[in-house]
Amino acid sequence: DTGVSQDPRHKITKRGQNVTFRCDPISEHNRLYWYRQTLGQGPEFLTYFQNEAQLEKSRLLSDRFSAERPKGSFSTLEIQRTEQGDSAMYLCASVWGNSYNEQFFGPGTRLTVL
Amino acid sequence: AQKITQTQPGMFVQEKEAVTLDCTYDTSDQSYGLFWYKQPSSGEMIFLIYQGSYDEQNATEGRYSLNFQKARKSANLVISASQLGDSAMYFCAMSFTQGGSEKLVFGKGTKLTVNP
Repeated sequence: DTGVSQDPRHKITKRGQNVTFRCDPISEHNRLYWYRQTLGQGPEFLTYFQNEAQLEKSRLLSDRFSAERPKGSFSTLEIQRTEQGDSAMYLCASVWGNSYNEQFFGPGTRLTVL
Repeated sequence: AQKITQTQPGMFVQEKEAVTLDCTYDTSDQSYGLFWYKQPSSGEMIFLIYQGSYDEQNATEGRYSLNFQKARKSANLVISASQLGDSAMYFCAMSFTQGGSEKLVFGKGTKLTVNP
């Protein structure tokens, strides 16, 4: 297994357009996290899946954001009606087990909203 | 609320010297985990080292060691024999359980520059 992958790596879009990002976790990892990172900040938690169940969403995740993890494998994060404030790096991480194990991060998707 | 504080926006170190990156945390939980991640300019977060709240020994991983002082709520990262490739952002993070879900909260990071 080559680790967590994310697609696309970069996305430039116009304000008001919808975008969708994909994350492929490490295959045996049951938990998957999405984070958003803006310039000069650490990653901020957005949402979390245990297998296919979305267990928690941050208040940072407005109604324009939706995430899915069908069949507990890959996950998608969709942003509808993008705004300039959505410009950020979107990171996906996966982790095995149910204790404080290290999260393995993907390379991220850098979103620029013009 | 759980919080991580990294007070050093930037640090400079000479190649082959040791450097300490500071991290303090705030939690009322008894069980938590502390992590350090490295983020090069490419953007990927790379796991470096982990310390559990119940671990009595300081964690070590090669040139990385974590100076865990539980009473002071500090978890400083020590990098020995710095290399040019160590230049990157370094993030301290804490894992905790809230409402049955495990979360990871990050500090703002420290930018380390290793000079030749």
